[in-house]
Amino acid sequence: KQEVTQIPAALSVPEGENLVLNCSFTDSAIYNLQWFRQDPGKGLTSLLLIQSSQREQTSGRLNASLDKSSGRSTLYIAASQPGDSATYLCVVDTGKLIFGQGTTLQVKP
Amino acid sequence: DTGVSQDPRHKITKRGQNVTFRCDPISEHNRLYWYRQTLGQGPEFLTYFQNEAQLEKSRLLSDRFSAERPKGSFSTLEIQRTEQGDSAMYLCASSPTRGDRNYGYTFGSGTRLTVV
Repeated sequence: KQEVTQIPAALSVPEGENLVLNCSFTDSAIYNLQWFRQDPGKGLTSLLLIQSSQREQTSGRLNASLDKSSGRSTLYIAASQPGDSATYLCVVDTGKLIFGQGTTLQVKP
Repeated sequence: DTGVSQDPRHKITKRGQNVTFRCDPISEHNRLYWYRQTLGQGPEFLTYFQNEAQLEKSRLLSDRFSAERPKGSFSTLEIQRTEQGDSAMYLCASSPTRGDRNYGYTFGSGTRLTVV
C-alpha cells in the first residue's frame, strides 16, 4: 500500500530564507508526483508536476526533485516571502492520488 | 476555459436533508475525481470517472453518496440524509489522460458543506 509522508509537519522561518520541504513514498511504482499549495479554507493550487521519468522541475523560485528509487521528493523554495505561507502537499499518482499530510509553512516578515 | 469550477462554494444544510454539488472540469480532461477533506487532514479519495464511466468508488462512499457524470462533461455528487460527519470540503479535480497515464491534476476551489 502506497503511503506518503511529509516532513516537517510545520515550519516557521523569517522572510528571505531558502528552505526545503521533504516528501517520501513507500512504493516507487508511480506515474508522477505533484506538489500543491493550499491556503486555509481554499482548494489546491498545482505548483509543480514531475513525471516518473523526470528528475526535477523548476518554476520561478520553486524547484522540485524526484528520486524514484529512494522514494523521495524535495520542494525547494528560494528567498521565501510572507505570501508563501500556506500548506504544501506532496501528492503521488498511482492511478489515483495519494496525499501526504502536508507541511504548513509560515514565513514571518 | 477558466479551470475546474465547483458549485456551490458553501452549503449549510440541516441534518437529514439531501444536498447536491456540481463540478465542471476542464473541457478536454477525460478524468474527473471527487475528494473529501476534513479540517487538518489531507484529501481522501471518494470516486473517479473516465468520461461517463465511474471506474472506482472508495469504501468511504456509503450508499448515501452517489456520483454521476452523465455526458462525460460535468459531474454531480449527491449526499442523501446528511449527517454531521459529512461536514467537510468536497474537492473536484480533473486530468487529461492517454491510456492509463495522467498528466497532472487540476483542482477546483471546493464546496464546503456544513451539516447542522
